[in-house]
Amino acid sequence: GAGVSQSPRYKVAKRGQDVALRCDPISGHVSLFWYQQALGQGPEFLTYFQNEAQLDKSGLPSDRFFAERPEGSVSTLKIQRTQQEDSAVYLCASSLEREAFFGQGTRLTVV
Amino acid sequence: GQNIDQPTEMTATEGAIVQINCTYQTSGFNGLFWYQQHAGEAPTFLSYNVLDGLEEKGRFSSFLSRSKGYSYLLLKELQMKDSASYLCAVRGNTGFQKLVFGTGTRLLVSP
Repeated sequence: GAGVSQSPRYKVAKRGQDVALRCDPISGHVSLFWYQQALGQGPEFLTYFQNEAQLDKSGLPSDRFFAERPEGSVSTLKIQRTQQEDSAVYLCASSLEREAFFGQGTRLTVV
Repeated sequence: GQNIDQPTEMTATEGAIVQINCTYQTSGFNGLFWYQQHAGEAPTFLSYNVLDGLEEKGRFSSFLSRSKGYSYLLLKELQMKDSASYLCAVRGNTGFQKLVFGTGTRLLVSP
């Protein structure tokens, strides 16, 4: 596609509910990143994939967060048993060499 | 660890010049990026510096001094549409291609 596509754009979840956020990277981009952005803050790194391999998951805040990219293209970020502190915008970015291209994000609100 | 500092907020007048500073402390250095982010939208790539000096691209320029751990983004001939957050991000030489972002500088351009 023309850019990085994320879905849904908005998600409201009840506390304790599981959610799945989808990212379609730019075709051919080897690297894929997930970031979490709280209101008024910069993006915080969550995890990084090179093709299907998850090479860095040091930013995942707890074991409730899980990400996968099974075929080296589309990626899913799953959050289990959502908590209010999980409310944020989740950004996906893909990269070929230098700069990363970001999607518009999924705004998750946990109520 | 990695630490990136930039001012929280700046204001400027249409037509003026503004300089947004960024200082960083990282374990290794493999490039500094500036991104622009309008409210509710994806960060978009503005500039990349890996060597010392000034990179100019139209109305935007970015400067880097690796020895000082310092960069700035210079915006000339400000327009109302330049009102946005400007994110400084550093790529270290660990953690693969991970970008570490500052909190962002919110720029408000007034008439």
